[in-house]
Amino acid sequence: DAGVIQSPRHEVTEMGQEVTLRCKPISGHDYLFWYRQTMMRGLELLIYFNNNVPIDDSGMPEDRFSAKMPNASFSTLKIQPSEPRDSAVYFCASSRGQVNTEAFFGQGTRLTVV
Amino acid sequence: AQSVTQLGSHVSVSEGALVLLRCNYSSSVPPYLFWYVQYPNQGLQLLLKYTSAATLVKGINGFEAEFKKSETSFHLTKPSAHMSDAAEYFCAVSPRFQGAQKLVFGQGTRLTINP
Repeated sequence: DAGVIQSPRHEVTEMGQEVTLRCKPISGHDYLFWYRQTMMRGLELLIYFNNNVPIDDSGMPEDRFSAKMPNASFSTLKIQPSEPRDSAVYFCASSRGQVNTEAFFGQGTRLTVV
Repeated sequence: AQSVTQLGSHVSVSEGALVLLRCNYSSSVPPYLFWYVQYPNQGLQLLLKYTSAATLVKGINGFEAEFKKSETSFHLTKPSAHMSDAAEYFCAVSPRFQGAQKLVFGQGTRLTINP
């Protein structure tokens, strides 16, 4: 398996623009997670899905952030409008089963909002 | 509620020296504990995990960690550091049987290896 695949690896955008980050989880995994990593706050869980259904989005910082999972092999995290404080590395991770706690991470998308 | 505290945001050791990265946890229920490693510009990779079997856990790349309930600790060690060990290391905790959605990560420790 190729692992969790994220695109793009790097994104530079202007403040106010819409940004869409993409993730393909490992085939067969039924949990998908979106994390944000910053120097100040470390690694934060934004939202997670189980069987394509959003379960907990309490970590999503504001209404400007939204996430979807239209099928088992694809998820998006959208920021609209983007702001400089959204600059961070965004990770997608997936895992299999309710009791298996090993999460497999993608390589991340480094977002810079100028 | 659970939390982990990693003592030392930066640790620097010489090549060939002992590596010791400290992690203390707080959990109201028996936990699972994990160490993840993040190489530059990469995602997190699982190094090892404790899931209530042996208290001394061996992981990849020569790392190991010991679960000490009395000290609420799960420190990561490696007898002899290699230059390729330079990375950021994250300790994480979750309740047993509750899946990756309950993972709580520490703030990370950046390990530097001096030649």
